[in-house]
Amino acid sequence: GENVEQHPSTLSVQEGDSAVIKCTYSDSASNYFPWYKQELGKRPQLIIDIRSNVGEKKDQRIAVTLNKTAKHFSLHITETQPEDSAVYFCAPSNTGKLIFGQGTTLQVKP
Amino acid sequence: ETGVTQTPRHLVMGMTNKKSLKCEQHLGHNAMYWYKQSAKKPLELMFVYNFKEQTENNSVPSRFSPECPNSSHLFLHLHTLQPEDSALYLCASSQGRGQANQPQHFGDGTRLSIL
Repeated sequence: GENVEQHPSTLSVQEGDSAVIKCTYSDSASNYFPWYKQELGKRPQLIIDIRSNVGEKKDQRIAVTLNKTAKHFSLHITETQPEDSAVYFCAPSNTGKLIFGQGTTLQVKP
Repeated sequence: ETGVTQTPRHLVMGMTNKKSLKCEQHLGHNAMYWYKQSAKKPLELMFVYNFKEQTENNSVPSRFSPECPNSSHLFLHLHTLQPEDSALYLCASSQGRGQANQPQHFGDGTRLSIL
């Protein structure tokens, strides 16, 4: 089955700095790569996704880059704000069945 | 966002009780999912339904019994649970048949505690 790992497991940055979270996966057939954000006590929410025919996608301060050869994709958050503090999950998929990573806790210090 | 609604939000039950969790989606989706989220562990997919048919059972114990009467409603019937079943149970929905890699939209979850 698919093995998914996220690094780092925790990340603390100063407000305004950038944050990068990396997700590695094992299934070379994976073709859909979403990132979810879960604030404390709230539902996971999709923040950005990318498909295997695209190498990079950007949405304002958030971007995702994909390296299919190396089987990893990364979440980039620029100009971080305190409201970016949350747990972030990657969930690669090839059949519509999302396989979630263990999560990365991001803390943005004011 | 109230596209996916779960009830109850919190549930405390004994190991011999029978209870049900409910999920309703108002997004016109055709696929619905149950996930389990335990502390310190990744979200675990439990069941997948496409157009009311179960297409995935991720080796879930029989004390969890899903039901999908239509594309908008999903239930999880609970019976004789164990303390290790205490977790947040999340429902999600998506367009398509679940194999098309469509974004999944989650509900707020039911926090279940087994005494």
